[in-house]
Amino acid sequence: KQEVTQIPAALSVPEGENLVLNCSFTDSAIYNLQWFRQDPGKGLTSLLLIQSSQREQTSGRLNASLDKSSGRSTLYIAASQPGDSATYLCAVPQTGANNLFFGTGTRLTVIP
Amino acid sequence: ETGVTQSPTHLIKTRGQQVTLRCSSQSGHNTVSWYQQALGQGPQFIFQYYREEENGRGNFPPRFSGLQFPNYSSELNVNALELDDSALYLCASSPGGSGGQETQYFGPGTRLLVL
Repeated sequence: KQEVTQIPAALSVPEGENLVLNCSFTDSAIYNLQWFRQDPGKGLTSLLLIQSSQREQTSGRLNASLDKSSGRSTLYIAASQPGDSATYLCAVPQTGANNLFFGTGTRLTVIP
Repeated sequence: ETGVTQSPTHLIKTRGQQVTLRCSSQSGHNTVSWYQQALGQGPQFIFQYYREEENGRGNFPPRFSGLQFPNYSSELNVNALELDDSALYLCASSPGGSGGQETQYFGPGTRLLVL
């Protein structure tokens, strides 16, 4: 069974810092990896989806990388802002399955 | 905005009762998935429907059931509610038949509290 782990569980940084969130998964037979943002008590907003054939995907200040062979992905946030404060979740589908496996998330706080 | 809506936003029930949660997918999205998210945890897959038929199920008991309708709406029904069913319930829609292999668009969720 696919297991997804996210480290750290919580992170607090001053505004303006660059930061990296980590995601690891046990089964490397994935089609893609998706990063989501979740505000408290709200639904999920898709940030980036990286196909298994890609190594990086960028959107604005966000850059996600994928190393399928080592079972790792990172989400890099440049020049963090207080509005970036949220929980960030990574998720992978499993080959032959129709569901997403999620990590438990990293709760990010950006201090003004 | 993802175009996916859910109702109600909040719900309080007592143990043993039954509940129906509703989701309206984006127009043209044939796949809907339901997830349960307990406090402090990542979402857990309940089941998925593709063109009105169940197309995959997670490790949830049969008292969790669903329906998908031709108008891109769907329901999650939970019978005999237990305290541990208290969670945020999320639905997600995607265009094709392989929901895990394409971007899924999530609704805002329904928060269920079972007393």
